[in-house]
Amino acid sequence: KQEVTQIPAALSVPEGENLVLNCSFTDSAIYNLQWFRQDPGKGLTSLLLIQSSQREQTSGRLNASLDKSSGRSTLYIAASQPGDSATYLCAVNTDKLIFGTGTRLQVFP
Amino acid sequence: DTGVSQDPRHKITKRGQNVTFRCDPISEHNRLYWYRQTLGQGPEFLTYFQNEAQLEKSRLLSDRFSAERPKGSFSTLEIQRTEQGDSAMYLCASSSLGGNEQFFGPGTRLTVL
Repeated sequence: KQEVTQIPAALSVPEGENLVLNCSFTDSAIYNLQWFRQDPGKGLTSLLLIQSSQREQTSGRLNASLDKSSGRSTLYIAASQPGDSATYLCAVNTDKLIFGTGTRLQVFP
Repeated sequence: DTGVSQDPRHKITKRGQNVTFRCDPISEHNRLYWYRQTLGQGPEFLTYFQNEAQLEKSRLLSDRFSAERPKGSFSTLEIQRTEQGDSAMYLCASSSLGGNEQFFGPGTRLTVL
């Protein structure tokens, strides 16, 4: 059974720091992996999609890597800003999405 | 492209009542998914459709839950005889094909009193 774990569960950092959020999964048979952002009480916004054959994807200050063989993905946020405060979720796609429990990020000025 | 839409955005109901939610996917997308998210947890898969066919249902989807996508376009999720444990955010997503990127709607927040 596929299980997805995210570490840390919560993170509070001052503005400007570079951050690494971790995601691990137990079964490497995936189509792709998505990182999402969720603001309180809102839906999910897709940040990055990494296909199973890819190693990384970049969008602006965000970079996500994927090591399928070890069952790990990281989301790197450069030069964090208060507007980055949100919950970040990773999900593996096995036809349906299986989510981790998220990392709650707070960036303070 | 207006994205995935859901209606209503919020629903408050009393225990034992029936509720129905609607999801309109991105117009050219064949796949439509329903997920449920409780406070502090990641979303959990409920069911999905390819066109009008319901291809998979999670064991989370008890007999009180039913989902339809009659013409392969919008979908409805009905909960009969609601219970307090049904209180959650119900999320809908769509994708062009299985295994492709999924795009989410804003969700319907259900509160059962």
